[in-house]
Amino acid sequence: TQLLEQSPQFLSIQEGENLTVYCNSSSVFSSLQWYRQEPGEGPVLLVTVVTGGEVKKLKRLTFQFGDARKDSSLHITAAQPGDTGLYLCARNTGGFKTIFGAGTRLFVKA
Amino acid sequence: AAGVIQSPRHLIKEKRETATLKCYPIPRHDTVYWYQQGPGQDPQFLISFYEKMQSDKGSIPDRFSAQQFSDYHSELNMSSLELGDSALYFCASSLRQGLDTQYFGPGTRLTVL
Repeated sequence: TQLLEQSPQFLSIQEGENLTVYCNSSSVFSSLQWYRQEPGEGPVLLVTVVTGGEVKKLKRLTFQFGDARKDSSLHITAAQPGDTGLYLCARNTGGFKTIFGAGTRLFVKA
Repeated sequence: AAGVIQSPRHLIKEKRETATLKCYPIPRHDTVYWYQQGPGQDPQFLISFYEKMQSDKGSIPDRFSAQQFSDYHSELNMSSLELGDSALYFCASSLRQGLDTQYFGPGTRLTVL
């Protein structure tokens, strides 16, 4: 059972379009991480959100943590082919392990 | 900045053989995590070590074992390999104080024939 639900699972868009991907859970998070992974490479940490309602920006990427700390979203403005990859949300379970969502596979066409 | 180093990057083994994967964490990081990622799947946590002691255990088969050494590097030993063990194996490291911030290595792609 996935503790983190990500949607959509797959997204194919044209360069320049905007998009939002979501990460949801029935549990409250103390914090949540977003990673980006390219094929054959390790996940690269993009951001950690901690406070309910928090918004963080990373260039064209905007991350939001829900007020109740049960959900998060990643919005990409004016997507570029270089944004192509697998976007994973993840949370630490309170111990020494991290649980990942199934990911959103994004493909941006030039 | 130094990153997590994994070796080898690619490994091909036959069924029933053994394999050893190595992970060198970021300097001063004291916690190491191992993950397995099958094709089209998200990373699945296997096991972690903090200060050379096993700290948490996930879906690691009994055929696998791991340890962390005095220099904080870690090795994942895999025996009686099966076809289903073919996957990307990632190591991540963190500072105990930064428990949520794990930095991943580039992975080892294991292919079992």
